[in-house]
Amino acid sequence: GAGVSQSPSNKVTEKGKDVELRCDPISGHTALYWYRQSLGQGLEFLIYFQGNSAPDKSGLPSDRFSAERTGGSVSTLTIQRTQQEDSAVYLCASSLNRIAGHLHFGNGTRLTVT
Amino acid sequence: SQQGEEDPQALSIQEGENATMNCSYKTSINNLQWYRQNSGRGLVHLILIRSNEREKHSGRLRVTLDTSKKSSSLLITASRAADTASYFCATDERTSGSRLTFGEGTQLTVNP
Repeated sequence: GAGVSQSPSNKVTEKGKDVELRCDPISGHTALYWYRQSLGQGLEFLIYFQGNSAPDKSGLPSDRFSAERTGGSVSTLTIQRTQQEDSAVYLCASSLNRIAGHLHFGNGTRLTVT
Repeated sequence: SQQGEEDPQALSIQEGENATMNCSYKTSINNLQWYRQNSGRGLVHLILIRSNEREKHSGRLRVTLDTSKKSSSLLITASRAADTASYFCATDERTSGSRLTFGEGTQLTVNP
């Protein structure tokens, strides 16, 4: 079946512009995560959605970052007034539920802020 | 710093040799997972070991967990060039609520 899909795969934007990154999780997966990965680094947790519960936003680095998940499916991560330090790969993952264990990752969106 | 920290940062071996990667963490966990990431791709789940388990096998993979030392190891036996990738451990911390916390990863290179 289809895996986690992220779009765009690459995004180049100018400093100060807003960007939207999209994630389509696996159908039926109630949990959705966003992580950020800088070059050669590990994954930095950003935000987590579980069903209809309030999202865990504790990893968002600043108020320029926000995310929503519509209808318990597609999620959008928005970065306003992008800065060069926002350049990274943004990874989305979903899982069947919080207790089920492992995450299924998309291939990420590589964001470059010039 | 990251909850999970892998060691070594980089490992280069010859095909057929075994590769061992280690992960240390700081707090109590529900489970620990290992993932693999090929260059330019997302992470792929390899194996999950629960806090009450000590060892788990999957094909050529063997994972151990020592909760008293807060450490885990991933052993890949009879390595292949196709095993070349970055390997990450991730911990499901009892106090974190929702997140999986990832380490910095070990870059494994298997030379043909």
